[in-house]
Amino acid sequence: QVQLQESGPGLVKPSQTLSLTCTVSGGSITNGAYYWSWIRQHPGKGLEWIGYIYYSGSTSYNPSLKSRVTISLDTSENQFSLKLSSVTATDTAVYYCARERHGGFDYWGQGTLVTVSS
Amino acid sequence: EIVMTQSPATLSVSPGERATLSCRASQSGSSNLAWYQQKPGQAPRLLIYAASTRATGIPARFSGSGSGTEFTLTISSLQSEDFAVYYCQHYNNWPPMYTFGQGTKLEI
Repeated sequence: QVQLQESGPGLVKPSQTLSLTCTVSGGSITNGAYYWSWIRQHPGKGLEWIGYIYYSGSTSYNPSLKSRVTISLDTSENQFSLKLSSVTATDTAVYYCARERHGGFDYWGQGTLVTVSS
Repeated sequence: EIVMTQSPATLSVSPGERATLSCRASQSGSSNLAWYQQKPGQAPRLLIYAASTRATGIPARFSGSGSGTEFTLTISSLQSEDFAVYYCQHYNNWPPMYTFGQGTKLEI
């Protein structure tokens, strides 16, 4: 059974960089059938796709966040990571990592709340 | 950029009844559409992809239909565990982009 688990600080100061890691178990992140995404959900709101990475290292980002986002891969640890720079209070959200196939996200992490506050 | 609009915002239905949720795309999205169920404090759960294909383990009472700009999720006979928020999501092949609707809350 594939499982995804987010980890990282729950509190980030304004203007700093938010960093999260997603550890994948029960399957290899180098399986070319899947794309590995970050998605966030503002408190009480809907879902926003942040970006994805493919096993080859190719990435795609939401244009609204592209200038501040970097997603990277660590195949030795079966992990992928998110960095979001210059954060403000509007970046406070639950951040999910998820696996995508055929356009749908079939496995998700449990989500981690990141609060941006001084 | 495609905008996904779900209706209604809230749908009140009794257990055992049928629920029909709608999702409209601002431009044609072919059949690149997925549906999710989300319960409080949980991650979304994939129900349907490619507009009408049920994801693994999803009960047959969930069905999806539509193409182009109009999509529907139907739950044929509501069970107590089906009361949740439902999201539609479009995916664009190139450039890659995934866009969610604002959600429909299905309540008793």
